[in-house]
Amino acid sequence: AQKVTQAQTEISVVEKEDVTLDCVYETRDTTYYLFWYKQPPSGELVFLIRRNSFDEQNEISGRYSWNFQKSTSSFNFTITASQVVDSAVYFCALSEANTGTASKLTFGTGTRLQVTL
Amino acid sequence: GAGVSQSPRYKVAKRGQDVALRCDPISGHVSLFWYQQALGQGPEFLTYFQNEAQLDKSGLPSDRFFAERPEGSVSTLKIQRTQQEDSAVYLCASSPRVYVGSNQPQHFGDGTRLSIL
Repeated sequence: AQKVTQAQTEISVVEKEDVTLDCVYETRDTTYYLFWYKQPPSGELVFLIRRNSFDEQNEISGRYSWNFQKSTSSFNFTITASQVVDSAVYFCALSEANTGTASKLTFGTGTRLQVTL
Repeated sequence: GAGVSQSPRYKVAKRGQDVALRCDPISGHVSLFWYQQALGQGPEFLTYFQNEAQLDKSGLPSDRFFAERPEGSVSTLKIQRTQQEDSAVYLCASSPRVYVGSNQPQHFGDGTRLSIL
């Protein structure tokens, strides 16, 4: 069975601070995908990134970066120079690799990030 | 519209009533998913359609839950004889045509917040 753990329930930072959101996952699959989604107060889940389990290269997109460590089953997300607009709940998710049909997502419980001035 | 559209945005029903929740996926998206998100939790998978075929309904919590997508586009999630524990946000997601070896990210709607009194 697949499982995603986000141990940090809530994080508060002051604007311009860097913040890292932790994600640890469990799966028996040798091939899988990892995702991060952002859920602002409006409720819509906004896709941020997808990683294939074969690709352990870290990725940077603007102020966002992701650190995938297969050896520790972690896929952490860092926001550099946080802004108030980054305030949201962030979800890490896992799916098995595509086998010809789309795969359901297994989500963690989310980390609520509060960025204040 | 360009995104996944769900209606109604909010639904209040008395215990025992039947409810129907609608999802309009992104045009041309083959895959459609329903998730249930309880307060303070991550979304949990309910069911999956590829076109009009319901390929996975393993997440439906009871036989009171029923989903359909008769023409491979709009989908309806129906809950019969609602119970208080059905109160949650119901999220719909769609993704494009699936190619072997890929797993397209799912695009989510804003959800329907269901409250059972």
